[in-house]
Amino acid sequence: KQEVTQIPAALSVPEGENLVLNCSFTDSAIYNLQWFRQDPGKGLTSLLLIQSSQREQTSGRLNASLDKSSGRSTLYIAASQPGDSATYLCAVRIGAGTALIFGKGTTLSVSS
Amino acid sequence: DTAVSQTPKYLVTQMGNDKSIKCEQNLGHDTMYWYKQDSKKFLKIMFSYNNKELIINETVPNRFSPKSPDKAHLNLHINSLELGDSAVYFCASSHQRGPWGYGYTFGSGTRLTVV
Repeated sequence: KQEVTQIPAALSVPEGENLVLNCSFTDSAIYNLQWFRQDPGKGLTSLLLIQSSQREQTSGRLNASLDKSSGRSTLYIAASQPGDSATYLCAVRIGAGTALIFGKGTTLSVSS
Repeated sequence: DTAVSQTPKYLVTQMGNDKSIKCEQNLGHDTMYWYKQDSKKFLKIMFSYNNKELIINETVPNRFSPKSPDKAHLNLHINSLELGDSAVYFCASSHQRGPWGYGYTFGSGTRLTVV
């Protein structure tokens, strides 16, 4: 059974710091992995999607890596800003017709 | 031009009532989903439906039933509401076909409170 774990559960950093959020999954046979952002009381915003054959994806200050063999993904946020404060969710899909399996998220707080 | 829209955004109702949450997507996706986010913010799949097959998470009570009038809609019906049904419910959609796995798009959620 696939399980997704995110560490740490919460993170507080000062503005300007570079930071890494971690995601691990128990079964390396994934179809793809997606990082989302959720603001309080809001829906999920897709940040990055990594296919199983890819090693990383980049969008602006965000970079997500994938190491299937070790069952890990990281989300790197460069030069953090207060507007980055949110909960970041990692989710994997194990097959083309399957649902996303989510981790419990990392709540990030960036102080100015 | 909202991609996945849910209504209502908030729903407060009494125990024992029957209620529905509507979901529409205008992305042309072939599969739609319902997720439940509990009080600890954990997201769990409830249903997925691709116009041919409905996949139900075995932990979902049969008081919950999805209804799809067409490819762009997947509504969630809940009978005999219980206090434990209070949560945020998210609708989502994605493509299943194609050489690459596509990402999901989520709605903004419906906060259901049962009193």
